Amino acid sequence: DGGITQSPKYLFRKEGQNVTLSCEQNLNHDAMYWYRQDPGQGLRLIYYSQIVNDFQKGDIAEGYSVSREKKESFPLTVTSAQKNPTAFYLCASSIDGTGAYNEQFFGPGTRLTVL
Amino acid sequence: AQTVTQSQPEMSVQEAETVTLSCTYDTSESDYYLFWYKQPPSRQMILVIRQEAYKQQNATENRFSVNFQKAAKSFSLKISDSQLGDAAMYFCAYRSGSNYQLIWGAGTKLIIKP
Repeated sequence: DGGITQSPKYLFRKEGQNVTLSCEQNLNHDAMYWYRQDPGQGLRLIYYSQIVNDFQKGDIAEGYSVSREKKESFPLTVTSAQKNPTAFYLCASSIDGTGAYNEQFFGPGTRLTVL
Repeated sequence: AQTVTQSQPEMSVQEAETVTLSCTYDTSESDYYLFWYKQPPSRQMILVIRQEAYKQQNATENRFSVNFQKAAKSFSLKISDSQLGDAAMYFCAYRSGSNYQLIWGAGTKLIIKP
């Protein structure tokens, strides 16, 4: 089955720790995205990547880092510099970044909680 | 900067009835796309319907249709014959034709009463 997988489903972080959220897609999509979702708010873009070995900051990139070494994978690291990381994180992908429809397909998400 | 506003934090409807969710947006561009996404309790985000700004005809997908009023910058979602499985958060989103970034509204929680 084609789709996007995210792991783990739940993640707990201690103060001062870096943690990495996994996102894998087998849809052969060029573009991938990371969003943060907080209660009562819409999704906010953290990082996006239109092609392997290239990525750009979104609206709330501070305290986060990403890599795009393979087309299928776009891991997100939440660093200790992110002061309020407790949130739901969604990964998405699309065929490309600028196509007419550019429908984004979403993974099931990771719930990160800071202890 | 573009913004998307969903003024109804929560809506409820009786099963089998029709409900309309509101969305307004602000943009100075003429080329853009609008989307409605559904997020059920599983939290998996699912595309419901999309509309290209250059198309005058309102998009329709089975029981879901939109009322796209370009001049008023309004993009409402109508759900006909509501079903229990329609209960979810609904998000309106905007994308510029020259960009890939989605701008999201805060969402409307839809409750279906049996």
